Amino acid sequence: QKEVEQDPGPLSVPEGAIVSLNCTYSNSAFQYFMWYRQYSRKGPELLMYTYSSGNKEDGRFTAQVDKSSKYISLFIRDSQPSDSATYLCAIRGNNRLAFGKGNQVVVIP
Amino acid sequence: DVKVTQSSRYLVKRTGEKVFLECVQDMDHENMFWYRQDPGLGLRLIYFSYDVKMKEKGDIPEGYSVSREKKERFSLILESASTNQTSMYLCASGPNTGIFSYEQYFGPGTRLTVT
Repeated sequence: QKEVEQDPGPLSVPEGAIVSLNCTYSNSAFQYFMWYRQYSRKGPELLMYTYSSGNKEDGRFTAQVDKSSKYISLFIRDSQPSDSATYLCAIRGNNRLAFGKGNQVVVIP
Repeated sequence: DVKVTQSSRYLVKRTGEKVFLECVQDMDHENMFWYRQDPGLGLRLIYFSYDVKMKEKGDIPEGYSVSREKKERFSLILESASTNQTSMYLCASGPNTGIFSYEQYFGPGTRLTVT
């Protein structure tokens, strides 16, 4: 079983919609949960991180962790065309950083 | 601003050539990483280093070696390039808040094509 699973399917939404992305992970010992954003032809950049269950907000972005279900989510409110990018979840545990495969998000004006 | 730079954005090499990919960071980070990124496979860790002259294998080290002679520089070497090493190569650095800090700062990547 992979350490972290992220359905890599692309996602197209109209501007202003809510974007919902999620990942599952296998090991309940995992502690830190991150979301990275990667624009085309650029390296990933850290968007948000959290280490506890519950929600963490940063502007239009909300990261959610449910440790009981081993499930993490990222929500983008009032999506903008500038949010068009690939979003990768990442989880730190077992002395490594495990990345999901990434979701390509396209926000259509 | 954290800056991680990679020596080339695009590189084309022939099968069997020795290839050097260079990465430099300016934030005095202890940890440095080399990943490759392929469609459908995501980011895969090749090698990492947590100190000068130290190196550890990641998930897919076969066919690669690394060198870290100075803290700010981490080089990835393909001893004899093969077509299956055609990929996007990403370097990252991070502070030593644990070997696998949640903070990793990535360079822009090198798109390597081996023909």
